[in-house]
Amino acid sequence: AQTVTQSQPEMSVQEAETVTLSCTYDTSESDYYLFWYKQPPSRQMILVIRQEAYKQQNATENRFSVNFQKAAKSFSLKISDSQLGDAAMYFCAYRRVSGSEKLVFGKGTKLTVNP
Amino acid sequence: GAVVSQHPSWVICKSGTSVKIECRSLDFQATTMFWYRQFPKQSLMLMATSNEGSKATYEQGVEKDKFLINHASLTLSTLTVTSAHPEDSSFYICSASGRVGETQYFGPGTRLLVL
Repeated sequence: AQTVTQSQPEMSVQEAETVTLSCTYDTSESDYYLFWYKQPPSRQMILVIRQEAYKQQNATENRFSVNFQKAAKSFSLKISDSQLGDAAMYFCAYRRVSGSEKLVFGKGTKLTVNP
Repeated sequence: GAVVSQHPSWVICKSGTSVKIECRSLDFQATTMFWYRQFPKQSLMLMATSNEGSKATYEQGVEKDKFLINHASLTLSTLTVTSAHPEDSSFYICSASGRVGETQYFGPGTRLLVL
């Protein structure tokens, strides 16, 4: 079974600085999707970024970028120029390409942004 | 685009009553919808996957007679918590995807409190 591990329960960053959240996963599949979701205090899950495993190029969305290391099964999220609104729980998630569409989530990392 | 709504956002009910939660995809047709449960400071736990017009697939350990799921149309899925008890109090979140391989988009969640 696939598993997703987020080894940092909590992280903090100063406003305008850069922070990296870690995520590792375990799978025997060669093709899959990886996601980072953000859950602010409102508890609305918001998609931050998505990566297809077959793509070598790391996905980027404005201040958010990933470092996807397929061989190492690592998928870290880098937030540049951190803003107060980035404070939230961040969940890494895995999904197979074929078969079940369900997401496998990590336990999450709580990010605090200090002014 | 890709907006998912849930109703109600908050519900308080007496023990033994049934509660229905609606999940709607507002601007796309959702072939698959997912229901999650989230306890405070924890990750999302998938309860079931539903495809339009067919029976839901429940995760191991989830009582299908207690958590009734109906996905009658491409824009609406409902979760009914039957004979609710205090231990059913939780945050319930739905998500929807439009086609195979597409990202899941999440509703804002429903807080259920059973007294």
